[in-house]
Amino acid sequence: GAVVSQHPSWVICKSGTSVKIECRSLDFQATTMFWYRQFPKQSLMLMATSNEGSKATYEQGVEKDKFLINHASLTLSTLTVTSAHPEDSSFYICSARGWPDNEQFFGPGTRLTVL
Amino acid sequence: KQEVTQIPAALSVPEGENLVLNCSFTDSAIYNLQWFRQDPGKGLTSLLLIQSSQREQTSGRLNASLDKSSGRSTLYIAASQPGDSATYLCAFFSSYKLIFGSGTRLLVRP
Repeated sequence: GAVVSQHPSWVICKSGTSVKIECRSLDFQATTMFWYRQFPKQSLMLMATSNEGSKATYEQGVEKDKFLINHASLTLSTLTVTSAHPEDSSFYICSARGWPDNEQFFGPGTRLTVL
Repeated sequence: KQEVTQIPAALSVPEGENLVLNCSFTDSAIYNLQWFRQDPGKGLTSLLLIQSSQREQTSGRLNASLDKSSGRSTLYIAASQPGDSATYLCAFFSSYKLIFGSGTRLLVRP
Protein backbone atom coordinates (compact mmCIF):
# COMPACT_ATOMS: atom_id res chain seq x y z
CA GLY A 1 0.00 0.00 0.00
CA ALA A 2 0.91 3.66 -0.21
CA VAL A 3 3.12 5.23 2.43
CA VAL A 4 2.35 8.27 4.54
CA SER A 5 4.98 9.73 6.84
CA GLN A 6 4.71 12.11 9.77
CA HIS A 7 7.35 14.23 11.38
CA PRO A 8 8.15 14.45 14.20
CA SER A 9 7.06 11.14 15.71
CA TRP A 10 7.02 12.72 19.15
CA VAL A 11 7.49 16.19 20.56
CA ILE A 12 7.60 17.70 24.03
CA CYS A 13 7.12 21.44 24.35
CA LYS A 14 6.44 24.10 26.93
CA SER A 15 3.02 25.62 27.36
CA GLY A 16 2.52 28.64 25.10
CA THR A 17 4.77 27.52 22.29
CA SER A 18 3.67 26.48 18.80
CA VAL A 19 4.34 23.08 17.30
CA LYS A 20 4.27 22.12 13.62
CA ILE A 21 3.58 18.56 12.47
CA GLU A 22 4.22 17.49 8.89
CA CYS A 23 2.34 14.86 6.95
CA ARG A 24 3.72 13.60 3.64
CA SER A 25 2.44 11.14 1.07
CA LEU A 26 5.65 9.51 -0.12
CA ASP A 27 4.68 7.66 -3.28
CA PHE A 28 1.41 9.18 -4.41
CA GLN A 29 -0.26 12.55 -4.75
CA ALA A 30 -3.04 13.39 -2.35
CA THR A 31 -5.42 16.23 -3.06
CA THR A 32 -7.09 15.55 0.27
CA MET A 33 -5.50 14.82 3.62
CA PHE A 34 -7.13 14.46 7.00
CA TRP A 35 -6.00 15.29 10.53
CA TYR A 36 -7.19 13.30 13.53
CA ARG A 37 -6.47 13.29 17.22
CA GLN A 38 -6.76 10.29 19.46
CA PHE A 39 -7.00 10.12 23.24
CA PRO A 40 -5.88 7.02 25.13
CA LYS A 41 -8.10 4.00 24.51
CA GLN A 42 -10.44 6.00 22.32
CA SER A 43 -11.10 6.00 18.61
CA LEU A 44 -9.92 8.65 16.18
CA MET A 45 -11.62 12.03 16.14
CA LEU A 46 -11.54 13.88 12.84
CA MET A 47 -10.30 17.43 13.31
CA ALA A 48 -10.20 18.77 9.79
CA THR A 49 -10.02 17.98 6.11
CA SER A 50 -7.09 19.51 4.29
CA ASN A 51 -7.50 20.29 0.61
CA GLU A 52 -4.55 21.17 -1.60
CA GLY A 53 -4.69 24.79 -2.65
CA SER A 54 -7.68 25.76 -0.56
CA LYS A 55 -8.72 26.34 3.03
CA ALA A 56 -9.15 23.42 5.35
CA THR A 57 -12.59 22.33 6.48
CA TYR A 58 -12.80 22.01 10.25
CA GLU A 59 -15.12 19.75 12.20
CA GLN A 60 -17.54 21.25 14.63
CA GLY A 61 -15.86 22.23 17.89
CA VAL A 62 -12.34 22.38 16.48
CA GLU A 63 -10.76 25.84 16.76
CA LYS A 64 -9.35 26.78 13.38
CA ASP A 65 -7.21 29.57 14.86
CA LYS A 66 -5.60 27.12 17.25
CA PHE A 67 -5.03 24.27 14.82
CA LEU A 68 -3.67 25.82 11.63
CA ILE A 69 -3.63 23.58 8.61
CA ASN A 70 -1.74 24.22 5.40
CA HIS A 71 -1.83 21.92 2.37
CA ALA A 72 0.87 23.54 0.29
CA SER A 73 1.42 20.76 -2.22
CA LEU A 74 -0.02 17.46 -3.37
CA THR A 75 2.31 15.59 -1.04
CA LEU A 76 2.51 17.77 2.07
CA SER A 77 0.08 18.99 4.70
CA THR A 78 1.08 20.63 7.97
CA LEU A 79 -0.76 21.03 11.26
CA THR A 80 0.42 23.79 13.58
CA VAL A 81 -0.80 23.74 17.15
CA THR A 82 -0.55 27.35 18.22
CA SER A 83 -0.01 28.46 21.81
CA ALA A 84 -0.13 24.87 22.97
CA HIS A 85 -1.50 24.02 26.40
CA PRO A 86 -1.40 20.77 28.39
CA GLU A 87 -4.93 19.87 27.26
CA ASP A 88 -3.63 19.78 23.67
CA SER A 89 -1.44 16.82 24.60
CA SER A 90 -2.62 13.97 22.43
CA PHE A 91 -1.75 11.60 19.61
CA TYR A 92 -2.17 13.33 16.24
CA ILE A 93 -2.55 11.20 13.12
CA CYS A 94 -2.85 12.27 9.51
CA SER A 95 -4.15 10.34 6.55
CA ALA A 96 -4.08 10.80 2.80
CA ARG A 97 -6.71 9.68 0.39
CA GLY A 98 -5.67 7.79 -2.68
CA TRP A 99 -7.30 7.85 -6.10
CA PRO A 100 -9.47 6.39 -7.58
CA ASP A 101 -10.49 3.99 -4.79
CA ASN A 102 -10.53 6.64 -2.05
CA GLU A 103 -8.63 4.21 0.14
CA GLN A 104 -7.08 6.10 3.04
CA PHE A 105 -3.55 5.58 4.21
CA PHE A 106 -2.47 6.71 7.63
CA GLY A 107 0.74 8.11 8.98
CA PRO A 108 2.42 6.63 12.06
CA GLY A 109 1.20 9.44 14.30
CA THR A 110 2.82 12.19 16.37
CA ARG A 111 2.75 12.10 20.16
CA LEU A 112 2.51 15.68 21.49
CA THR A 113 3.17 16.37 25.15
CA VAL A 114 2.74 19.92 26.40
CA LEU A 115 4.31 20.64 29.78
CA LYS B 1 -26.13 11.06 11.49
CA GLN B 2 -23.93 8.12 10.62
CA GLU B 3 -22.97 5.99 13.60
CA VAL B 4 -20.68 3.00 13.64
CA THR B 5 -20.76 0.33 16.33
CA GLN B 6 -18.21 -2.41 16.84
CA ILE B 7 -18.90 -5.54 18.83
CA PRO B 8 -17.29 -6.90 20.91
CA ALA B 9 -15.28 -4.08 22.45
CA ALA B 10 -12.65 -6.56 23.58
CA LEU B 11 -11.89 -10.18 22.77
CA SER B 12 -9.39 -12.68 24.12
CA VAL B 13 -8.88 -15.98 22.31
CA PRO B 14 -6.33 -18.79 22.31
CA GLU B 15 -3.96 -19.06 19.40
CA GLY B 16 -5.34 -20.92 16.38
CA GLU B 17 -8.98 -19.94 16.78
CA ASN B 18 -11.01 -18.50 13.96
CA LEU B 19 -12.80 -15.33 14.97
CA VAL B 20 -15.27 -12.75 13.71
CA LEU B 21 -15.33 -9.06 14.47
CA ASN B 22 -18.55 -7.20 13.86
CA CYS B 23 -19.27 -3.70 12.66
CA SER B 24 -22.69 -2.11 12.14
CA PHE B 25 -23.68 1.23 10.70
CA THR B 26 -26.84 3.28 10.55
CA ASP B 27 -26.67 4.92 7.12
CA SER B 28 -26.60 2.78 3.97
CA ALA B 29 -25.31 5.68 1.86
CA ILE B 30 -21.70 4.67 2.16
CA TYR B 31 -19.06 4.93 -0.53
CA ASN B 32 -16.74 2.26 0.80
CA LEU B 33 -15.50 0.77 4.04
CA GLN B 34 -12.09 -0.05 5.39
CA TRP B 35 -10.84 -2.28 8.14
CA PHE B 36 -7.72 -1.13 9.95
CA ARG B 37 -5.51 -2.47 12.71
CA GLN B 38 -3.78 -0.25 15.21
CA ASP B 39 -0.95 -1.37 17.44
CA PRO B 40 -0.43 0.53 20.73
CA GLY B 41 1.08 3.96 20.15
CA LYS B 42 1.11 3.51 16.40
CA GLY B 43 -0.82 4.75 13.40
CA LEU B 44 -3.38 2.74 11.46
CA THR B 45 -2.59 0.02 8.97
CA SER B 46 -5.16 -0.53 6.25
CA LEU B 47 -6.16 -4.19 6.07
CA LEU B 48 -8.98 -4.36 3.56
CA LEU B 49 -11.03 -1.95 1.47
CA ILE B 50 -14.50 -2.86 0.21
CA GLN B 51 -16.24 -0.66 -2.29
CA SER B 52 -19.99 -0.19 -1.85
CA SER B 53 -20.64 -2.29 -4.96
CA GLN B 54 -18.64 -5.23 -3.57
CA ARG B 55 -19.68 -7.91 -1.09
CA GLU B 56 -16.33 -9.03 0.28
CA GLN B 57 -12.57 -8.80 0.07
CA THR B 58 -9.89 -11.27 1.08
CA SER B 59 -6.25 -10.86 1.98
CA GLY B 60 -4.37 -13.85 3.34
CA ARG B 61 -6.08 -15.02 6.55
CA LEU B 62 -8.43 -12.04 6.55
CA ASN B 63 -11.84 -11.83 4.93
CA ALA B 64 -14.14 -8.83 5.18
CA SER B 65 -17.76 -8.78 4.08
CA LEU B 66 -20.21 -5.96 3.52
CA ASP B 67 -24.01 -6.15 3.63
CA LYS B 68 -25.40 -2.70 3.02
CA SER B 69 -29.03 -3.80 3.32
CA SER B 70 -28.54 -4.94 6.90
CA GLY B 71 -25.98 -2.28 7.75
CA ARG B 72 -23.29 -4.77 8.72
CA SER B 73 -19.71 -5.66 7.99
CA THR B 74 -17.65 -8.48 9.44
CA LEU B 75 -13.94 -9.16 9.59
CA TYR B 76 -13.07 -12.84 9.72
CA ILE B 77 -9.61 -13.82 10.94
CA ALA B 78 -8.62 -17.42 10.32
CA ALA B 79 -6.14 -19.36 12.45
CA SER B 80 -5.38 -16.45 14.76
CA GLN B 81 -1.81 -15.81 15.89
CA PRO B 82 -0.35 -13.79 18.79
CA GLY B 83 0.88 -11.26 16.22
CA ASP B 84 -2.75 -10.51 15.39
CA SER B 85 -3.16 -8.89 18.80
CA ALA B 86 -4.12 -5.26 18.18
CA THR B 87 -7.12 -2.96 18.03
CA TYR B 88 -9.24 -3.42 14.93
CA LEU B 89 -11.20 -0.49 13.59
CA CYS B 90 -13.84 -0.37 10.90
CA ALA B 91 -14.57 2.88 9.12
CA PHE B 92 -17.03 3.98 6.47
CA PHE B 93 -16.34 6.62 3.88
CA SER B 94 -19.43 8.79 3.71
CA SER B 95 -19.94 12.50 3.12
CA TYR B 96 -16.29 12.85 2.05
CA LYS B 97 -14.83 11.55 5.30
CA LEU B 98 -14.17 8.37 7.22
CA ILE B 99 -16.42 7.61 10.16
CA PHE B 100 -14.83 5.27 12.66
CA GLY B 101 -16.17 2.71 15.05
CA SER B 102 -14.75 2.57 18.56
CA GLY B 103 -12.73 -0.54 17.80
CA THR B 104 -12.32 -4.10 19.05
CA ARG B 105 -9.24 -4.85 21.18
CA LEU B 106 -8.07 -8.33 20.30
CA LEU B 107 -5.69 -10.43 22.36
CA VAL B 108 -4.54 -13.75 20.97
CA ARG B 109 -2.98 -15.85 23.74
CA PRO B 110 -0.08 -18.19 22.90
